[in-house]
Order: sequence, then C-alpha cells, then structure tokens
Amino acid sequence: AQSVTQLDSQVPVFEEAPVELRCNYSSSVSVYLFWYVQYPNQGLQLLLKYLSGSTLVKGINGFEAEFNKSQTSFHLRKPSVHISDTAEYFCAVSDPPAGNNRKLIWGLGTSLAVNP
Amino acid sequence: EAQVTQNPRYLITVTGKKLTVTCSQNMNHEYMSWYRQDPGLGLRQIYYSMNVEVTDKGDVPEGYKVSRKEKRNFPLILESPSPNQTSLYFCASSPIGPLPYEQYFGPGTRLTVT
Repeated sequence: AQSVTQLDSQVPVFEEAPVELRCNYSSSVSVYLFWYVQYPNQGLQLLLKYLSGSTLVKGINGFEAEFNKSQTSFHLRKPSVHISDTAEYFCAVSDPPAGNNRKLIWGLGTSLAVNP
Repeated sequence: EAQVTQNPRYLITVTGKKLTVTCSQNMNHEYMSWYRQDPGLGLRQIYYSMNVEVTDKGDVPEGYKVSRKEKRNFPLILESPSPNQTSLYFCASSPIGPLPYEQYFGPGTRLTVT
C-alpha cells in the first residue's frame, strides 16, 4: 500500500531564510503528488501538485516542489519565508484511481514555525 | 464564492447522544469525502461519495454513517458518539476526471465527546 513520510515533524526557521520540507513516498508505477497547507483554525488548501510533465512544480505563495522519481521524493521549498507562512504542511499522494475512490494518502504533517 | 461549509464548527456532546455534522459545497462537485484528523495519526478517510446515492467506506468508518441525497450535501452522522470519536473533522469535495483534482476542504468541525 502507498505510504507517505514527512521526515520532519517540526521545522523552526527565521524570517527571510530559505526552507525545505521533506516528503518521501513509497514507490509505485505512477503517482500524483500534492502539498497542502493548513493555517491555524482553518481547513487545508492546495499549495501545489504534480501530475505529470516538468518535475519542478511552482505553487502559490512562492512555494515550489521538485518531483524526484529515483529518490521517491517530493520536497517543498521556499527561498525566503515570511511570518505568515507559519502553518502545518501536508504532503499527500494519490494512486491512479483503483475503483472509485480518489483517496489521498497523507503524511503526518510538518509544522513550520517562522520566527522574527 | 466557491466553498465547502461545515456546521457546527465546534461541538461538545456526551456519550451516546446522536449528532449530525453537516457539509455543503456549492461547486457542483461529484466527489465528497469525510476525514478525521488526530495528533500523530494525520488525516484518515471515514467515508466518501462518488455522487448522489453512492457512498462507500474509507479507512475508519466504524461508528459513523453518511448519506448523499443531494449532490451538494454530505452529512456525517454519529448515532452513538463515544469519547474515541473526539477529533477534528474535515469535509472535502472535488470534481471527478481521469486525473486527480484538487480537493477543497471545509474549515473543520472540532468535536469533543465526554
């Protein structure tokens, strides 16, 4: 069964510093990969997704991620973070639909704390 | 505004008292799903629905029921809540197509069962 591992549960960083949040998934023939963000007391919203094509994916709020098939990774990066980026970040993978369910397999999340 | 709404946002109840958490989306999405989020366990799918009158179990369906009588609504029913159902619940929806679409999430319902 597909699984997702987010390698860091907490990442503290200073404002304007670069950040990388790491995500690995178990191998599969083909996968679709997502990063979602959850701000305090809110639901999740999509940051970016990889379905096919270019392995470097750009998302909202200046985030980008790189799909690396050989390393089964999909790490999220931002060159310069802001206080407002403080949130929980979730990596998720979707197998090609088996049957009817578009279920996402979720990592446990990485809490990004941006300090002044 | 395209959105998924959930009500209530916060609920404290007692063991055994039936409750319903409503979920509604205004995007005409076919697919809807319920998740629970627990510390250390991440998000786990409870039930999902592919369209009206089509529902199926996710990973943790025990103790929950759902219905899909209208395309926009997907209520989550706890017939006899227990303390282990204390959690943060999210409803999500998406279109259906050959590739996975973004799932749109509601703001969450924080349920406490005493």
